[in-house]
Amino acid sequence: EDQVTQSPEALRLQEGESSSLNCSYTVSGLRGLFWYRQDPGKGPEFLFTLYSAGEEKEKERLKATLTKKESFLHITAPKPEDSATYLCAVRSLNNDMRFGAGTRLTVKP
Amino acid sequence: DAGITQSPRHKVTETGTPVTLRCHQTENHRYMYWYRQDPGHGLRLIHYSYGVKDTDKGEVSDGYSVSRSKTEDFLLTLESATSSQTSVYFCAIRVGGEGYEQYFGPGTRLTVT
Repeated sequence: EDQVTQSPEALRLQEGESSSLNCSYTVSGLRGLFWYRQDPGKGPEFLFTLYSAGEEKEKERLKATLTKKESFLHITAPKPEDSATYLCAVRSLNNDMRFGAGTRLTVKP
Repeated sequence: DAGITQSPRHKVTETGTPVTLRCHQTENHRYMYWYRQDPGHGLRLIHYSYGVKDTDKGEVSDGYSVSRSKTEDFLLTLESATSSQTSVYFCAIRVGGEGYEQYFGPGTRLTVT
């Protein structure tokens, strides 16, 4: 069965303190790995899709990377407005999407 | 903005009553999904639709039914609500292209007392 595990569950950073979120996965044929941002009381907002090991994508202070077993979301010099829950999901060969439970990020000024 | 609305946004209902949640999209996407989100579980797929009157079950479909009579509307019905169905429900659409990314609506918070 496909599985997605995100760590840590929660992360508190000071403004400007760079860090990484982890998404480990097992899937029967990866057709895409997705990162979403979710603010309290709102729906997930799409950030990135990664397709193959070695691929990287960037958006402002966020950079997502992918290996054959995990993905990292690197946050460089975060600001308080980056505080949110970050969700990872994988799409398998049968097109099923499996989501992780998320990492709740808090950035203090 | 993916042009997805959900109604109602909040609902409190009693155990044993039927409840219908509505998802409406404005962009004529073929695929639509219903998920529930609970602490510690992430998003779990309830049902999805791949066209008008074409639907299929997801991971947690027991106690739920869906209908899609028009491309733009996807309804989720809790046939007889139970306290275990207290959750936040999200509708999503799948856009075209290589990635098949899903875009989500704002959610409906349902409380079953």
